[in-house]
Amino acid sequence: SQELEQSPQSLIVQEGKNLTINCTSSKTLYGLYWYKQKYGEGLIFLMMLQKGGEEKSHEKITAKLDEKKQQSSLHITASQPSHAGIYLCGADRPGTYKYIFGTGTRLKVLA
Amino acid sequence: EPEVTQTPSHQVTQMGQEVILRCVPISNHLYFYWYRQILGQKVEFLVSFYNNEISEKSEIFDDQFSVERPDGSNFTLKIRSTKLEDSAMYFCASSGGGPTEAFFGQGTRLTVV
Repeated sequence: SQELEQSPQSLIVQEGKNLTINCTSSKTLYGLYWYKQKYGEGLIFLMMLQKGGEEKSHEKITAKLDEKKQQSSLHITASQPSHAGIYLCGADRPGTYKYIFGTGTRLKVLA
Repeated sequence: EPEVTQTPSHQVTQMGQEVILRCVPISNHLYFYWYRQILGQKVEFLVSFYNNEISEKSEIFDDQFSVERPDGSNFTLKIRSTKLEDSAMYFCASSGGGPTEAFFGQGTRLTVV
């Protein structure tokens, strides 16, 4: 079965710094989704990537999909305390009706 | 902005009791899902539901679990006889077409004592 590994598992950065979170799949990626979760709360959809090389941005968050490496990266520019939370990548596979989720990256931004 | 809503936000139940977790998906969505997250662990798929039947289910979704869309708007997850290990956050999600861009509710925290 497909596994998604995220790195790093946790990250503490000073406000204003840039950071990158990676999500690597053990199998071919067809659709990759990024969600953010505040601890103990729901999942907030951030972005969906479907094509190799695709890059999307929302405010200060940019995500890219590298199909060849079976990897996606999420980059936050000039981080703010509001960016703190758990970032989850999710993937689906054609013919299935589910996501699997990555292990999560816990981000803390120090003011 | 349309959203998925779940009730209750927190439920405490005694082991062996039945619980029903409720969800109101986004109104024009066709696919519905339940996921769970044991504290500190991964979000795990339980079941997907389309056209009034289960599309797919995981090995976690055993005979103790059932789903229903009783009235065209609500989507429920029933656990017949809760166990301690069922304690988790349960998320409902819905999407317009397949698992793409699923929107998640805020979750119901189930505590089995």
